[in-house]
Amino acid sequence: DQQVKQNSPSLSVQEGRISILNCDYTNSMFDYFLWYKKYPAEGPTFLISISSIKDKNEDGRFTVFLNKSAKHLSLHIVPSQPGDSAVYFCVSRNSGGSNYKLTFGKGTLLTVNP
Amino acid sequence: NAGVMQNPRHLVRRRGQEARLRCSPMKGHSHVYWYRQLPEEGLKFMVYLQKENIIDESGMPKERFSAEFPKEGPSILRIQQVVRGDSAAYFCASSSGTNTDTQYFGPGTRLTVL
Repeated sequence: DQQVKQNSPSLSVQEGRISILNCDYTNSMFDYFLWYKKYPAEGPTFLISISSIKDKNEDGRFTVFLNKSAKHLSLHIVPSQPGDSAVYFCVSRNSGGSNYKLTFGKGTLLTVNP
Repeated sequence: NAGVMQNPRHLVRRRGQEARLRCSPMKGHSHVYWYRQLPEEGLKFMVYLQKENIIDESGMPKERFSAEFPKEGPSILRIQQVVRGDSAAYFCASSSGTNTDTQYFGPGTRLTVL
């Protein structure tokens, strides 16, 4: 039973354009969401996060949007750069006692073409 | 300022052997988490440890798997009598004082069981 779903296994965009990565979740107990980026042969690296009390968080070229009623979030990267090519994981965290436990989606492989 | 270290990076074992995976957290971090990534899947939580204590091992298989984080030295994930289904990438993460802090991941150990 997958609680965090990334329905697009891959996405390809041109350099300079916008990349939009989508994520849906099913567990209403999730109150904090993160995006991690992963290059081959490396561990995931934290990118950006958003609390459930917000609907948008921006950090440079990266913006995360949260639609709590739809249980949907998205990561926007603009402008996209070739160095952004990586696997992006949508990650959620429980509220309450086990809030250390991260739940990962399967990831979306982003390829940014020069 | 070293990040999370894991060794070995690659480990090959025959069925029935033991696998020992090591993780040294970032300097100053006392919380360690182990995750497993099966092929084509996201990372899945296995166990959360603090120094000399297992806080949550709910994600770890009941048999053959054990973890420790001794007072001195790295955290160890031990898999006894490995089977082919144990082949996966095992990632360790660490965080500082509070368990809601950002988790920083190591590069992972890729275990292959022949």
